[in-house]
Amino acid sequence: AQTVTQSQPEMSVQEAETVTLSCTYDTSESDYYLFWYKQPPSRQMILVIRQEAYKQQNATENRFSVNFQKAAKSFSLKISDSQLGDAAMYFCAYRRRGSNYKLTFGKGTLLTVNP
Amino acid sequence: NAGVMQNPRHLVRRRGQEARLRCSPMKGHSHVYWYRQLPEEGLKFMVYLQKENIIDESGMPKERFSAEFPKEGPSILRIQQVVRGDSAAYFCASSHSTSGGPTDTQYFGPGTRLTVL
Repeated sequence: AQTVTQSQPEMSVQEAETVTLSCTYDTSESDYYLFWYKQPPSRQMILVIRQEAYKQQNATENRFSVNFQKAAKSFSLKISDSQLGDAAMYFCAYRRRGSNYKLTFGKGTLLTVNP
Repeated sequence: NAGVMQNPRHLVRRRGQEARLRCSPMKGHSHVYWYRQLPEEGLKFMVYLQKENIIDESGMPKERFSAEFPKEGPSILRIQQVVRGDSAAYFCASSHSTSGGPTDTQYFGPGTRLTVL
């Protein structure tokens, strides 16, 4: 079974600084997707970024980028120029490609942004 | 362009009552997924439905829980005879497809927080 591990229960960053959230996963599959979702205090789950495992290029969405290391099964999220609105719980998620549609989530990292 | 809608946002039930949670997928989406989030945990998959069909309910408890996605109207997650352990946030997600491309990304609703007294 696939598992997703987020080893940092909590992280903090100063406004305008950069922070990296860690995620590792375990799978025997070679083709899959990885996601980062953000859950602010409103509890809405918001997709931040998506990475296809077959793509070597790391995904980027504005201030958010990932460091995808397939051999190491590592998928970290880097937030640049942190803003107060980035404060939230961040979940890493895995999904096997093809007909297996279930998302497997890590337990989350609570990010605090200090002014 | 409305996103995934869930109602109610908050639901309080006494032990033994029934809880009905509703989910309207994004326009054009025909795939619906339900997840449960217990306190201090990530989301756990419960069930996957397409219109009028349950495709996978492997994550759903065998008793008291059921789900449907009728031809018309929202998807419903039903919990009969609720117990305190059912207290959680229940999230619905929808996708356009499961083809393996960008259109299979799951978009989430705001969740329903169920409290069982």
